[in-house]
Amino acid sequence: ETGVTQTPRHLVMGMTNKKSLKCEQHLGHNAMYWYKQSAKKPLELMFVYNFKEQTENNSVPSRFSPECPNSSHLFLHLHTLQPEDSALYLCASSQGWEATNNEQFFGPGTRLTVL
Amino acid sequence: AQKVTQAQTEISVVEKEDVTLDCVYETRDTTYYLFWYKQPPSGELVFLIRRNSFDEQNEISGRYSWNFQKSTSSFNFTITASQVVDSAVYFCALSEARDDKIIFGKGTRLHILP
Repeated sequence: ETGVTQTPRHLVMGMTNKKSLKCEQHLGHNAMYWYKQSAKKPLELMFVYNFKEQTENNSVPSRFSPECPNSSHLFLHLHTLQPEDSALYLCASSQGWEATNNEQFFGPGTRLTVL
Repeated sequence: AQKVTQAQTEISVVEKEDVTLDCVYETRDTTYYLFWYKQPPSGELVFLIRRNSFDEQNEISGRYSWNFQKSTSSFNFTITASQVVDSAVYFCALSEARDDKIIFGKGTRLHILP
C-alpha cells in the first residue's frame, strides 16, 4: 500500500452505535490530521497530531475521540453521533516539524452516514 | 484571525478556454503559507502548490499558473487551455507559521464542458 489509506470507505451507523475510523500513512510522515467535509461547511480541520502528540483540537465535540498510537496510524472513535455528523471524513499526513505548513497528502475519505 | 475567501462557488467554461480561480486571504502574521488543492470526483484531495509569504514570484507548472500578490492578499490560480479532466473542486488554504491550524476556503467547483 502506498500513500494514505482509510478504512472503511463507507459507514452507516445509528446514533447509539460506537465505531472507529482508521487511517494509515505509508509516507514516513510525522504529522497526521482529521478533517470533516460536509455539504454545508467548507473543509474543517478537526485534529492535528505531530509526532504522536495532539497539537490541535479545533473545538470538536467529545463524541469524536482521536487516537494516534504511532506516527503511521490515526483513529477517530465515534460514539453517540448525531445526524448532522454525517459527512466525508478525510485523513491527511505531512512531513516535518511545522506540520500544517507543509503540503498534506490526503486519503480517499470515509463517507459517514448517521441515521 | 485567519480567513480564506473563494468568492466563486461554481464556474463553467468550455474546453480549451482559460480560467482563473480567485483566492483572497486574511492573516495578521507576516509568515504564512498558501496552498491550492484539487478534489476530483473521487473525493481525494490532491496537493497542487505551496507558497510561503516571502516568495511572491509567480509560478508556472505546465498549464497551471499561480499569481501571488501580497498587496491585495490574493493567490489566484489560472488554468490555461482547460481540459475536461480539470473538472474538480479546487480549494485554497492558508496556514500561519505560529500554530498548527490550516484554514481552507469553501472551494470553487469547476466544470469544464467538452
